[in-house]
Amino acid sequence: DIQMTQSPSSLSASVGDRVTITCRASQGIRDDLGWYQQKPGEAPRRLIYGASSLQSGVPSRFSGSGSATEFTLTISSLQPEDFATYYCLQHNTSPLTFGGGTKVEIK
Amino acid sequence: EVQLVESGGGFVQPGGSLKLSCAASGFTFNRFWMHWVRQVPGKGLVWVSHINGDGSNSNFADSLKGRFSISRDNAKNTLYLQMDSLTAEDTAVYYCSRDLIYWGRGTLVTVSS
Repeated sequence: DIQMTQSPSSLSASVGDRVTITCRASQGIRDDLGWYQQKPGEAPRRLIYGASSLQSGVPSRFSGSGSATEFTLTISSLQPEDFATYYCLQHNTSPLTFGGGTKVEIK
Repeated sequence: EVQLVESGGGFVQPGGSLKLSCAASGFTFNRFWMHWVRQVPGKGLVWVSHINGDGSNSNFADSLKGRFSISRDNAKNTLYLQMDSLTAEDTAVYYCSRDLIYWGRGTLVTVSS
C-alpha cells in the first residue's frame, strides 16, 4: 500500500498567516492527489485535485503543488473560516490512502 | 443537486453484522464510482472501499478484506456496505461519496457489548 505521510500533524497560526502543509508519498503517484478540508461535525470538502487544480468554488488563497512523492497545500492568508483539519488523499493506486491530517488551530 | 444520504448505522454487538445504505439522487448514478470512507470520532479519515458504475469492479482497504463487501443497486440508485464480524475498532462514522467530491453526512456505527 502507498503510505501518505502528512506534516505537521497540527499547527497554530494567526489570521493572515501563510500556512504550508506537506504530504509525502511512499512511492510515486504522479499528480493523483487531492487535498481536503474538514470541520468538526461535517463531511470533508475537496479543495484541490490533480495536486494543483483548484476545486470550483474554493477561494484562491488555497493552492497545491508537487508531483510524484512530494506535495504541498498552501493557504496564502489564513482566514477565520480556514481553521479546520486538512487531509491529503492519493488515488493513484488502490487501496486509496489518506494522510494522517493536519489540524490548523488559532494562535 | 447531488445528494447522498447514508442510513443503517446504529449499535451492534461485537461479532455482529450491519448493512449500510447510501441513497443517491441528483445525478446519473450508474456513471460514477462510489466510495465508502470511515472516521473514528476524533481521528482521521480512512478510505474503506469503492465500486465502479456497473458494479463489476471494487477494491477494499487491506485490513477490511473478507469482512466487508460493497455493492450497488443502480435501479434503486443505492450503494451498500455489508459489514460482518464487527469489532470495537469498526466503531466510526461511515461516509459515502461520489468520486470523493460529493459526500453524505455520514452514519454512525457503534460496536459495543
